[in-house]
Amino acid sequence: QKEVEQDPGPLSVPEGAIVSLNCTYSNSAFQYFMWYRQYSRKGPELLMYTYSSGNKEDGRFTAQVDKSSKYISLFIRDSQPSDSATYLCAIGNTDKLIFGTGTRLQVFP
Amino acid sequence: DVKVTQSSRYLVKRTGEKVFLECVQDMDHENMFWYRQDPGLGLRLIYFSYDVKMKEKGDIPEGYSVSREKKERFSLILESASTNQTSMYLCASSPRVLTYEQYFGPGTRLTVT
Repeated sequence: QKEVEQDPGPLSVPEGAIVSLNCTYSNSAFQYFMWYRQYSRKGPELLMYTYSSGNKEDGRFTAQVDKSSKYISLFIRDSQPSDSATYLCAIGNTDKLIFGTGTRLQVFP
Repeated sequence: DVKVTQSSRYLVKRTGEKVFLECVQDMDHENMFWYRQDPGLGLRLIYFSYDVKMKEKGDIPEGYSVSREKKERFSLILESASTNQTSMYLCASSPRVLTYEQYFGPGTRLTVT
């Protein structure tokens, strides 16, 4: 079993839709939960991170962590074509970070 | 803004060649990392360094070595390139105690023929 599992997609949605991206993990010792966005032919860009259960909001983006279920989500409200990218979750602690394989998202006008 | 730069965006090398990939960061970060990214496998850690002249093996160090002579610069070396090292190589840096807060360079697409 992989330490971090992420649905590869692709996920195709119309502009304005609410998008839900998800990851599961196996190691309950992990404390930090990150989301990276990667545009085509670019390096990953840190989008959001949190270290506790619950929700964290930043504009149209909300990161949600459920430690009891070992499940994290990223919600994108009012999705835009510019949100089209691959989204990677990353989960870890102070000395290790493990990345999911990424979910490719396409938002069409 | 954190800036991480990599020496080349695209590189084509022949089997058996020695390959150097350079990474420079300008935020005085202690930690630096080298990953490779392959479809369906995600990012896999090759090596990391938490200080000058210090290095630690990651998950897939075989066939690679690294060098960190200055704090801002971290080099990845393929001693004898092979076709299975064709990949996207990504460098990242982070503050010492915030290992999880990594900032990435644009990547080098290496093709070994």
